[in-house]
Amino acid sequence: AQSVTQLDSHVSVSEGTPVLLRCNYSSSYSPSLFWYVQHPNKGLQLLLKYTSAATLVKGINGFEAEFKKSETSFHLTKPSAHMSDAAEYFCVGLNTGFQKLVFGTGTRLLVSP
Amino acid sequence: GAGVSQSPSNKVTEKGKDVELRCDPISGHTALYWYRQSLGQGLEFLIYFQGNSAPDKSGLPSDRFSAERTGGSVSTLTIQRTQQEDSAVYLCASSLQGAERSVYGYTFGSGTRLTVV
Repeated sequence: AQSVTQLDSHVSVSEGTPVLLRCNYSSSYSPSLFWYVQHPNKGLQLLLKYTSAATLVKGINGFEAEFKKSETSFHLTKPSAHMSDAAEYFCVGLNTGFQKLVFGTGTRLLVSP
Repeated sequence: GAGVSQSPSNKVTEKGKDVELRCDPISGHTALYWYRQSLGQGLEFLIYFQGNSAPDKSGLPSDRFSAERTGGSVSTLTIQRTQQEDSAVYLCASSLQGAERSVYGYTFGSGTRLTVV
């Protein structure tokens, strides 16, 4: 069974500094992985997805993630944080056996001025 | 439609009453999912539909919860004899089928916030 682990429940950064949100996955085969963002009182929005076409995936709002099979990681990064990036971020895997999404526990990103 | 539509957006109900939550997926999306997001907890899978059938209902927390999908489109999640612990945001998502699912991802609705008082 596939699972995803988000290593930090909260990450705090200053505006203009880099963002790193960590995600590890477990799977016996190449996974399908996604990052979703949820702003307060809003729905889930797809940031980016790994489709095995490229290990470095670029998403919306300047975010990107790199799939590293050797480390079983799919960390989310952004070079420079904006105040509007403050939200909850979910690393999500696709359980190919039952075709259901498996969510990490989420990382709350706090951005200070 | 352009996105996944859920109704109502907010529902306050008395303990013991039944509630129905509706999800209208993106046209052409054959897969439909229900998730629950409780305060302080992550997203909990409830049920998955492929067309009108539900190959995976493993996440339904009790027999008070049921869901159906008709015409390969609209789905209704029903909670009978609601309890306070049922209070949560109920999210619906839809996607294309098969390998396309991993390419195009899933589209989530804005959710129904259920409060049981």
